[in-house]
Amino acid sequence: QVHLVQSGSELKKPGASVKVSCKASGYTFNNYAVNWVRQAPGQGLEWMGWINTDTGNPTYVQGFTGRFVFSLDTSVSTAYLQISSLKADDTAVYFCARDRGILDYAMDVWGQGTTVTVSS
Amino acid sequence: QSGLTQPPSVSGAPGQRVTISCTGSNTNIGAGFAVHWYQLLPGTAPKVLIYGNSNRPSGVQDRFSGSKSGTSASLAITGLQAEDEAEYYCQSYDNSLRGHVVFGGGTKLTVL
Repeated sequence: QVHLVQSGSELKKPGASVKVSCKASGYTFNNYAVNWVRQAPGQGLEWMGWINTDTGNPTYVQGFTGRFVFSLDTSVSTAYLQISSLKADDTAVYFCARDRGILDYAMDVWGQGTTVTVSS
Repeated sequence: QSGLTQPPSVSGAPGQRVTISCTGSNTNIGAGFAVHWYQLLPGTAPKVLIYGNSNRPSGVQDRFSGSKSGTSASLAITGLQAEDEAEYYCQSYDNSLRGHVVFGGGTKLTVL
């Protein structure tokens, strides 16, 4: 079975960094891109961008450049989201989601979400 | 980001039919990009209900159906059940700027 399993909840102070992991299983990791999606409290889903798991090339949406970094460790079929210089506004649930790979931009498998709370 | 517009909430009694609209523009839905629908239950991974405007993945009940016309799409749920109470999101692709995935603002379905 195809799964994406994310790391657990994080509580961080403003200015700190956090790294969220997204481990894939049940399929060939580098055949499908990984998207990152944010849901802030009381808000809807917001696409942050995606990473090509074959080349490692990331694409970031406006508003998620600079402090946000997508990376991979293909040896363990894992994608990462790192956020630096955390702000209270970064408090949200972060999801990874697999692109289903047929050029229609659908996301067919999702991680369970990682809650990141930024508070002093 | 150019977004998609959904009603914030809809409601219906058990057994009834509800529809959720998703209004876009000529840079996303109207440009021919596919619309997908997701269901979010608290604390669980989002689930795909509809791919490519109207296609159900295996395992999704046929009570869920999708359609698209012009710059809009809709999700219909028939035979409402208590377990359908959740948030629903439409998603497509927008070719303005450098191109990006877009989500609707989400619709909270309440089963009365």
